Amino acid sequence: GAGVSQTPSNKVTEKGKYVELRCDPISGHTALYWYRQSLGQGPEFLIYFQGTGAADDSGLPNDRFFAVRPEGSVSTLKIQRTERGDSAVYLCASSNSGSQMETQYFGPGTRLLVL
Amino acid sequence: AQSVTQLDSHVSVSEGTPVLLRCNYSSSYSPSLFWYVQHPNKGLQLLLKYTSAATLVKGINGFEAEFKKSETSFHLTKPSAHMSDAAEYFCVVSDPSGTYKYIFGTGTRLKVLA
Repeated sequence: GAGVSQTPSNKVTEKGKYVELRCDPISGHTALYWYRQSLGQGPEFLIYFQGTGAADDSGLPNDRFFAVRPEGSVSTLKIQRTERGDSAVYLCASSNSGSQMETQYFGPGTRLLVL
Repeated sequence: AQSVTQLDSHVSVSEGTPVLLRCNYSSSYSPSLFWYVQHPNKGLQLLLKYTSAATLVKGINGFEAEFKKSETSFHLTKPSAHMSDAAEYFCVVSDPSGTYKYIFGTGTRLKVLA
C-alpha cells in the first residue's frame, strides 16, 4: 500500500516568510509524529498527534511553530516568520496506534531552506 | 531519561567483510530499540527492532543486532558488506513515557569500499 507522503519535497523561502509543510500518513494510522533533522544530525522530535489532538508538542522549538491534524489524517506543520536556523529536513512518521513496540513509518521528508 | 549513543560517526569496510555499527543505550525502563537506515535522498527505513522477545534480532538485508542488557548495547552487524549497504544508520530508542516518540542517535555513516 501507499506509504507516508510529504509535500513539497523541497521548499526554498526567504527569512520572515510563512511556510506550510504537509504530511499524508498511512491510511488508518492514528499516531502521527513530526521530526526535524538538521545537517549531520539525527532527527529530533517536534510533535505527536493521537487522532486529531496534539498529545505532545514539547519538541516544538518556539511559538513560531504550530501543527494541526483537523480530521485525524493529514497533518500540516506551519512555521511563521521563518529564520535561517529553521533550515532542515522535516520528517513525518505514522504508526498504527502509537505504542512502545510499534514501528514508525517515515515519509521522504521536506527539505526546507530559508535564505 | 532515554538516550542512545552511537560510538562511531563514520565506519569504512571493504566489500565482503563484516560490518559492526555500535550503539549503547540508556533507559530506566525495558527499552524498545530500533535500527533505521537512511540512503541519500531517501526516507528512513526500518532494519530491525527489539521489543523484549528474543535478544538476537534478525532484520532485512542480512542485518542483525543483539540486545545485551549487561552492557546496555544494541550493536548492528552484518557478516558480509555489500556496496548497496553504504548509507547512514541510526540507532533509536522509543520513549516509554506515553508518546513513544523516537530518540535518535547521531548516526553512523557506513562507507563500503570496492
